[in-house]
Amino acid sequence: QQQVKQSPQSLIVQKGGISIINCAYENTAFDYFPWYQQFPGKGPALLIAIRPDVSEKKEGRFTISFNKSAKQFSLHIMDSQPGDSATYFCAARPSEGSTLGRLYFGRGTQLTVWP
Amino acid sequence: GAVVSQHPSRVICKSGTSVKIECRSLDFQATTMFWYRQFPKQSLMLMATSNEGSKATYEQGVEKDKFLINHASLTLSTLTVTSAHPEDSSFYICSASAVGGFGKLFFGSGTQLSVL
Repeated sequence: QQQVKQSPQSLIVQKGGISIINCAYENTAFDYFPWYQQFPGKGPALLIAIRPDVSEKKEGRFTISFNKSAKQFSLHIMDSQPGDSATYFCAARPSEGSTLGRLYFGRGTQLTVWP
Repeated sequence: GAVVSQHPSRVICKSGTSVKIECRSLDFQATTMFWYRQFPKQSLMLMATSNEGSKATYEQGVEKDKFLINHASLTLSTLTVTSAHPEDSSFYICSASAVGGFGKLFFGSGTQLSVL
C-alpha cells in the first residue's frame, strides 16, 4: 500500500512558469515531510522540508504548502528553470513506532522545464 | 549540508560474483543507515535499515542472505550483494540519519550495479 501518493507522474512547464507537485497521505502519525530532487544517475538531495505545525515554508524559489486537515502537501517551484528538470519525490516520516529517519516516498514526478 | 559518500558509483560484474558497496558519512555520525534500491523511473524501495553495532532489519521480501549489510561504525555501512545475478542489476542508494539530526536523511550518490 502506497503510504504517500504523489501526482502528477510527469510535468512539463515552460521556463519562468510555476511547477506544482502534489502529495497526499493517510497516516496521521507522520510528522516530517521532506521533498527530494534527483538528477539521473545521482542520489536524491534534500530540497526543502516542513513539519505539520506550519502551513507554508519558503526557501528561495521553492515553497511547500501544507494542509494538515486535508492531509495534503505540495511543492511549488516559482520561475521554473531548465536546470530544475529532474525527478522530485515527496516523502513522509512517522513520529512513532519507527526507526528514526524511516521515510515513505511518493512515486516521483518527472519535471521537464522547456527553455 | 551533511555529506554521505558512496562507492563505487558504478560497477559491472559477472554473474555469481559478490559486490561490496560502501557508504560513509563524512562529517557526521550516523545513528542509522538505510539502503534503497531504485529501478529506472521508479521510486526508492527501502531494502534494509541498519543501526551501528546491531543486525540490520530487512524489509519484507528482501533476502538477507543475498544482501549482507554491515554497520560496523557510526560512519560506515556496507552492502554486499552476494552471488549476484542479472536480476540484481539496479541502482543502489544509501542514506544516513545523523545523531541529533532529528531524522534528516542525507543520501549517497548511488551505485549503478550491472550484472552480466
